[in-house]
Amino acid sequence: ETGVTQSPTHLIKTRGQQVTLRCSSQSGHNTVSWYQQALGQGPQFIFQYYREEENGRGNFPPRFSGLQFPNYSSELNVNALELDDSALYLCASSPGLAGGRGEQFFGPGTRLTVL
Amino acid sequence: ILNVEQSPQSLHVQEGDSTNFTCSFPSSNFYALHWYRWETAKSPEALFVMTLNGDEKKKGRISATLNTKEGYSYLYIKGSQPEDSATYLCAFMTTDSWGKLQFGAGTQVVVTP
Repeated sequence: ETGVTQSPTHLIKTRGQQVTLRCSSQSGHNTVSWYQQALGQGPQFIFQYYREEENGRGNFPPRFSGLQFPNYSSELNVNALELDDSALYLCASSPGLAGGRGEQFFGPGTRLTVL
Repeated sequence: ILNVEQSPQSLHVQEGDSTNFTCSFPSSNFYALHWYRWETAKSPEALFVMTLNGDEKKKGRISATLNTKEGYSYLYIKGSQPEDSATYLCAFMTTDSWGKLQFGAGTQVVVTP
């Protein structure tokens, strides 16, 4: 069973650019959540996708957007990058919304640096 | 409490000693409390998911308790080993935001031989 994978591992961008981060969910999981962890803080919920539809969003501006594909992999897109977007971005997959206790399985993250 | 709070922020423990630390969370609309262990350069690893008041979970030398009425959970490490060195995150989920984990900032544990 393959776990959650994320690419790239590290990324350096400049202010105003756009970035796309990718996540492959664990086999059999149809729900993907994205989190941002800034330095010294806990991960903050960005949004969640369930069967290709957004299913909840945290307190992030619209320039943070996402996609989920039919194979349940997902992308996080950030437009007009700002210095404060520098963070570790974590993806987590889970086996659906119905039942369960909300267990989520995390990838190792993508470290984004905005200069 | 409006958000998840973890204390202490960091902890240094001698090998063989036992330790514990706290996660405090809002007690209203409680659904589940998660504990994760996060070693440097690795993925956060789920330790426990707890849903019932009074729940106690154990995994090897690590155990956790849950009090949903007063909004806290304790994580205990018995006989700490260097491989226990990690950041321990707790996260809670409410009934009206299922799937959205709200994390604390973590407790960083360093176990020295």
